[in-house]
Parts: sequence; C-alpha cells; structure tokens
Amino acid sequence: KAGVTQTPRYLIKTRGQQVTLSCSPISGHRSVSWYQQTPGQGLQFLFEYFSETQRNKGNFPGRFSGRQFSNSRSEMNVSTLELGDSALYLCASSYQLSQGSSYEQYFGPGTRLTVT
Amino acid sequence: GESVGLHLPTLSVQEGDNSIINCAYSNSASDYFIWYKQESGKGPQFIIDIRSNMDKRQGQRVTVLLNKTVKHLSLQIAATQPGDSAVYFCAESLYSTLTFGKGTMLLVSP
Repeated sequence: KAGVTQTPRYLIKTRGQQVTLSCSPISGHRSVSWYQQTPGQGLQFLFEYFSETQRNKGNFPGRFSGRQFSNSRSEMNVSTLELGDSALYLCASSYQLSQGSSYEQYFGPGTRLTVT
Repeated sequence: GESVGLHLPTLSVQEGDNSIINCAYSNSASDYFIWYKQESGKGPQFIIDIRSNMDKRQGQRVTVLLNKTVKHLSLQIAATQPGDSAVYFCAESLYSTLTFGKGTMLLVSP
C-alpha cells in the first residue's frame, strides 16, 4: 500500500506571497491532519479534515487554511507569508470511522517551506 | 539532513544497550498515546501506541509504559542498534488531535 505523499517536497517563497501544499493520504484513509514542525516550537497541530469537513483546528492565524476533496486528498494554503512560516509542513492520514476515537496517524515526508 | 529540533535532550547509548526514553504528557483526558521516530529528512514514523486503559504494551524490541497517575510515558528499546539513532517523539491524542512532546534525540554508537 502506498504511503502518504506530499508535494512539493521543497519550496522557496518570498514574504507576502501565498503557497499551496498538497497531500495524498493512504488509500482508504478519510482523515487528514496537517502539522507544522520548526526547531523552536517542535511539531504543532494545524488542522484536521474528515470527509471534506474541518473537524479540529489548532492555534494558528487565519492565514493558514485547508480543504479536503472527495477523494480525501487535502491541500493547505498559507497566505501573506511571513519569515516565521518557514518550516517543515507534515501531513498525516488516519483510518477513522468517526470522531471520538483516536487511531494511529501515518505521516508523509513533509514539504520544506523556506520564506525569504 | 534536516534538523528536527535544536536543544533537544539527548540520550547516548552503546550498541546493544537498552534505551529508555521518557515523556511527560499534559492532558489527563488524553485517551491514546503514540511514540514516533523521526530520522533526518523524513516524516515521523509510527513505532508503538497504547490506549489509556492499558499500562504496558510490547512490540518488537520496544515496550511502552503508561503511568496515568503522574502523566508519564516511556519507551524502552531493547538491544539498541545504530539504526535506532533518531529523534523520538511521544504524542498524546484526544479526539484525533495529536499533541507532540519536544522530542529526545537518541544517539547509538557502535
């Protein structure tokens, strides 16, 4: 079974631009979560989508948004990029039947975003 | 490779030793706990999980212990190998949201 894939793997943007990152979950997984990883803050939860609906959201500004498509693929968008947005953005998928129970999440390799 | 964290606690062991990595979690309501391993340039890789109704779970060469009284989680790796060198994260989960610890770097020397 293919793992979680993320594109692109590396991206360089300048301040003020916007960026869209893509994630394809493991086949059959309906939950997709996004995380930001930085040396200073570690791994932080951004948001989670399940069946095209955002179920949970972390403590990030509104510049960070996402969506999920009917095939469970997900995108996240960051508008008006700031230098502090430079990070590794990780996507994880999980097989879940419904909210209220936790299951192991499988991570992709991440997208390394550098904002200059 | 990519740095996954600066100023991480580091555990240095010799090949063949047993390693114990500790983690304190924050939410007493968390019902699910996972240990992940992250190698340079890669995403976190699932190692082992445990639900809150258990206090111990064993896998291949790994054991996770959960102490809910003091909100403590540990990962034991038996016969540590150089390939085990990585950053290890614990994560707690409630309603499918994972909250990660800061991580511990494990260095295994031959």
